[in-house]
Amino acid sequence: DIQMTQSPSSLSASVGDRVTITCRASQSISSYLNWYQQKPGKAPNLLIYDASRLQSGVPSRFSGSGSGTDFTLTINSLQPEDFATYYCQQSYSTTWTFGQGTKVEIK
Amino acid sequence: QVQLVQSGAEVKKPGASVKVPCKASGYTFGSYYIHWLRQAPGQGLEWMGIVNPGDGTTIYAQDFNNRLTITRDRSTSTVYMELSSLRSEDTAVYFCAREASTTVARPLDYWGQGTLVTVSS
Repeated sequence: DIQMTQSPSSLSASVGDRVTITCRASQSISSYLNWYQQKPGKAPNLLIYDASRLQSGVPSRFSGSGSGTDFTLTINSLQPEDFATYYCQQSYSTTWTFGQGTKVEIK
Repeated sequence: QVQLVQSGAEVKKPGASVKVPCKASGYTFGSYYIHWLRQAPGQGLEWMGIVNPGDGTTIYAQDFNNRLTITRDRSTSTVYMELSSLRSEDTAVYFCAREASTTVARPLDYWGQGTLVTVSS
């Protein structure tokens, strides 16, 4: 299986901060990379697909970049509703895998 | 509007099986693959498997060692996830999700609300 490693596992940030989360694949996955946001007790919500494309309805402060093995999710000007856990996910291989998650907490 | 609706919480004894439905509406059922994922308490997301509702073909994660069966009923637009030989480590919220087929990375664009399965003696 392709392993997906996110860093950091958690971070504390303030409203208005710029936050960057990284995701590394154990082998090249081209742009077969998606990002999701999950709030407690809720299903995940798609933010970014194809590594850098913004899902319809998602605020433009979210952006994604990268290809191959290294990817980044950036949140510009963090808002109160952005405090959540974020997951990357690869669909390059037949069996899919997720990163372990990054919890964004209020400083 | 697209909806995936799952059943309510289940409590099962070790060794038993659970079958969780996911009823789809608001789109052409046979045109989008459905995935199953789970999330143990306080843990991350684990991908379990996928079904093509059009022809019923499936792919499963190896971790489930033939305990997992995903089926579909086209007459009711429902996908089922059945997990057998349950053990305490299978306690989790189980999600179904639809795969968007028109992009490279085929993300999961609609999700069910989740079904908590508790395995306890």
